[in-house]
Amino acid sequence: GQNIDQPTEMTATEGAIVQINCTYQTSGFNGLFWYQQHAGEAPTFLSYNVLDGLEEKGRFSSFLSRSKGYSYLLLKELQMKDSASYLCAVRDVDNTDKLIFGTGTRLQVFP
Amino acid sequence: DGGITQSPKYLFRKEGQNVTLSCEQNLNHDAMYWYRQDPGQGLRLIYYSQIVNDFQKGDIAEGYSVSREKKESFPLTVTSAQKNPTAFYLCASSIPSSGANVLTFGAGSRLTVL
Repeated sequence: GQNIDQPTEMTATEGAIVQINCTYQTSGFNGLFWYQQHAGEAPTFLSYNVLDGLEEKGRFSSFLSRSKGYSYLLLKELQMKDSASYLCAVRDVDNTDKLIFGTGTRLQVFP
Repeated sequence: DGGITQSPKYLFRKEGQNVTLSCEQNLNHDAMYWYRQDPGQGLRLIYYSQIVNDFQKGDIAEGYSVSREKKESFPLTVTSAQKNPTAFYLCASSIPSSGANVLTFGAGSRLTVL
């Protein structure tokens, strides 16, 4: 079966660092994506990992371990505008861009 | 600016009525997708299309129908057979299977059945 697990909710303080974990068990793997979604809005792309290791993009970094079926999104220097849901998604191995999504982690940043 | 336009943003429907959600993209993407989002659940794939005049069922296609007569357009009809249609519907598009290729999403349509 296809299963992607993320914590439901997290809280953090402005200026801090937060790590959002994602574990997956899927029949195939062709890349892992992180999206940010503010309430009632469209998800927007944050990061993509297909090989093991860390990808850094400004305040956001994403890590992947394929052998462990594990990824995390690291957010540094948190800002109030980072309060949103963060969606982990795995791309299937077939010849499409179908994504299998986790339930999302709702992050609340407090002053 | 290129993007995906979904309409209407909010829609109310009586039980037993069919309703069609519009999705138009000017990104020249070949592939288009419809996802459904419910509170506490991840996005679930309803239908997808990789090329004009062809589409495939996703994980929760029952009670929905689509068409892909033009590259730019991928409308979704929620039929009366869909037992629990109240949800947030997201349309997306992509250039299929190209490395770090990314799904681009529309702003969504929120359907409420009264």
